[in-house]
Amino acid sequence: SAVISQKPSRDICQRGTSLTIQCQVDSQVTMMFWYRQQPGQSLTLIATANQGSEATYESGFVIDKFPISRPNLTFSTLTVSNMSPEDSSIYLCSVEEPISYNEQFFGPGTRLTVL
Amino acid sequence: LAKTTQPISMDSYEGQEVNITCSHNNIATNDYITWYQQFPSQGPRFIIQGYKTKVTNEVASLFIPADRKSSTLSLPRVSLSDTAVYYCLVGDGTFNKFYFGSGTKLNVKP
Repeated sequence: SAVISQKPSRDICQRGTSLTIQCQVDSQVTMMFWYRQQPGQSLTLIATANQGSEATYESGFVIDKFPISRPNLTFSTLTVSNMSPEDSSIYLCSVEEPISYNEQFFGPGTRLTVL
Repeated sequence: LAKTTQPISMDSYEGQEVNITCSHNNIATNDYITWYQQFPSQGPRFIIQGYKTKVTNEVASLFIPADRKSSTLSLPRVSLSDTAVYYCLVGDGTFNKFYFGSGTKLNVKP
C-alpha cells in the first residue's frame, strides 16, 4: 500500500495569511485527493488532483481559496489562502493506487489552527 | 451519490462481537460498499469492501443483503484498540470520489 507523508504536521497561523500543505507519496499515483476534517466532524472532499490537469473542486470550495498543484505523480500541494479562524481544521490528502479499486490511502493529516 | 446513515455511537466491551449497520437506500447498481476506520489524529484506514453477500478478511466481515440497501460491518472479539470512528461509504469509483457520512464512534470498554 502507498505510504503518504504530509508537511507540516501542524501549524498555527495568523488571520489573513496563507499556508501551503505538501503531500508526498512513495509511489506513482494518478489520483490524489484533498479533504478537510473539522474537529469532531467527518471528512469533506475539497478537490481531486490529477497530474497534468486542473484540479476539480467540490461544491463550496473554490480555486482562489484552495489552490492546488500537482506537478508530478508523487507530489501535490494544497494552499489555504487568506485564512480565517473558520479554516481551522485538519487537512488530509489521499491517493488511489492504480491496482486498487475504491480503496484510498490517507496521509496523517495537517492540523491547522488560525488565530 | 447514495447517502449513508449510521448510528452516531456504539459502546461495547472487550471480547465482544460488534456489528455496525449502515443504511444506503439509494445505492446504485454499480456501487460498492466500503468501510474505513479512523483513529484520533490519523487518516482513515481501509477495512473492507464488498458488493453483495459476505466478504471476510483478517480484521472484519461485511454482510450485504440481497437488496443491498444496507450493510453490516462485523468486528469479532473487539479490543480496546478497536476504539475508533467507522465510516461506511458507497460509490462506484467512476469518479474516484469518496463522500464520507457521519461515521459511528465505537467505544470499547474494558
